[in-house]
Amino acid sequence: GENVEQHPSTLSVQEGDSAVIKCTYSDSASNYFPWYKQELGKRPQLIIDIRSNVGEKKDQRIAVTLNKTAKHFSLHITETQPEDSAVYFCAASPILWDMRFGAGTRLTVKP
Amino acid sequence: DVKVTQSSRYLVKRTGEKVFLECVQDMDHENMFWYRQDPGLGLRLIYFSYDVKMKEKGDIPEGYSVSREKKERFSLILESASTNQTSMYLCASSRGQLRETQYFGPGTRLLVL
Repeated sequence: GENVEQHPSTLSVQEGDSAVIKCTYSDSASNYFPWYKQELGKRPQLIIDIRSNVGEKKDQRIAVTLNKTAKHFSLHITETQPEDSAVYFCAASPILWDMRFGAGTRLTVKP
Repeated sequence: DVKVTQSSRYLVKRTGEKVFLECVQDMDHENMFWYRQDPGLGLRLIYFSYDVKMKEKGDIPEGYSVSREKKERFSLILESASTNQTSMYLCASSRGQLRETQYFGPGTRLLVL
């Protein structure tokens, strides 16, 4: 089955710097890759997603890139702010209803 | 706005008890999921359902069962709770048969003593 690995497990950056979180997946059939943000004590919420027919997608300060050949995708956050501090999960969807999540990255943005 | 609700935010049970966790979504989504979330392990899929009365095992179904009698409701059952089932349980739903966004409930933090 699909296996998603996420790195790093923790990331600390200074406010205004960029943050990059990387994920790899194993099943070449996966073609949907969402990213979720989970603030402390709250539910995971989708922040951006990408499908395999595109290589990059951007939404204001957040971007995701996908390399299907290498089976990896990354989340990029620019101009980080303290409210970006949260746990971020990547996921890959290998079959119609299924989704596999990475272990999560705890991002801390220091003011 | 999608709304996914879970019956309890916090639950304390004793070893051996039968535990019911309920999830309700109000967006007529076909698919519903149960995950458990543990530090360092991310979200692990327990069971999912793509239609009423249909269910599929996820990665860690042992010790759990599910029920989906109505489209909007998906129940997770711990037949005989054990201490290693102490965890955060998250329900999610998504629409259709394509790979779509999952919307999560607020979670139930279960403590088994």
